[in-house]
Amino acid sequence: DAGVTQSPTHLIKTRGQQVTLRCSPKSGHDTVSWYQQALGQGPQFIFQYYEEEERQRGNFPDRFSGHQFPNYSSELNVNALLLGDSALYLCASSKPPGLYEQFFGPGTRLTVL
Amino acid sequence: AQSVTQPDIHITVSEGASLELRCNYSYGATPYLFWYVQSPGQGLQLLLKYFSGDTLVQGIKGFEAEFKRSQSSFNLRKPSVHWSDAAEYFCAVGAHGGTASKLTFGTGTRLQVTL
Repeated sequence: DAGVTQSPTHLIKTRGQQVTLRCSPKSGHDTVSWYQQALGQGPQFIFQYYEEEERQRGNFPDRFSGHQFPNYSSELNVNALLLGDSALYLCASSKPPGLYEQFFGPGTRLTVL
Repeated sequence: AQSVTQPDIHITVSEGASLELRCNYSYGATPYLFWYVQSPGQGLQLLLKYFSGDTLVQGIKGFEAEFKRSQSSFNLRKPSVHWSDAAEYFCAVGAHGGTASKLTFGTGTRLQVTL
């Protein structure tokens, strides 16, 4: 049973560039959430997708956008990268009614130079 | 808005000793509460969760946690720590209602285990 997978594992970008991160949910899950974890901090909720729609959004600027595909996989896009966007980006999947039982992927480490 | 406080940034215990990691939450109603563990370079693994009912919950790897409404706490415990328990531990709270299930995390407690 495949768990949550994310790609790429690591990514290095420069300020002003754009990045796309990808996530495949655990088998049987249809809801995907994205979190940003800065160094030494706990994960912070970016947004959640269900039925290809953004259901809830955290306190992140519009530079952060996402998409969910019919196969439930998801992408996180960040435009106009800032140094402060350097972080571990975690994807989590879940399935109603157990939306809170979120299974996390290994994350994508983004470094912005 | 909900919030989580983990007062201890770093804790060191000897292998075989007992462990208690503190977690305090702020939420207007009965929350959903979680403990996750993160090993270096890894994602988060769910240790245990509290939704309702018995306030003492058992999790994986021999961990347990107790929900105390009067103290707004959900402390994690283990009677005997193993060297492999060294990791970062995060407490999280989930809010009821709506169509989404946002989790709010604390800043984490790093556990070091000495042999």
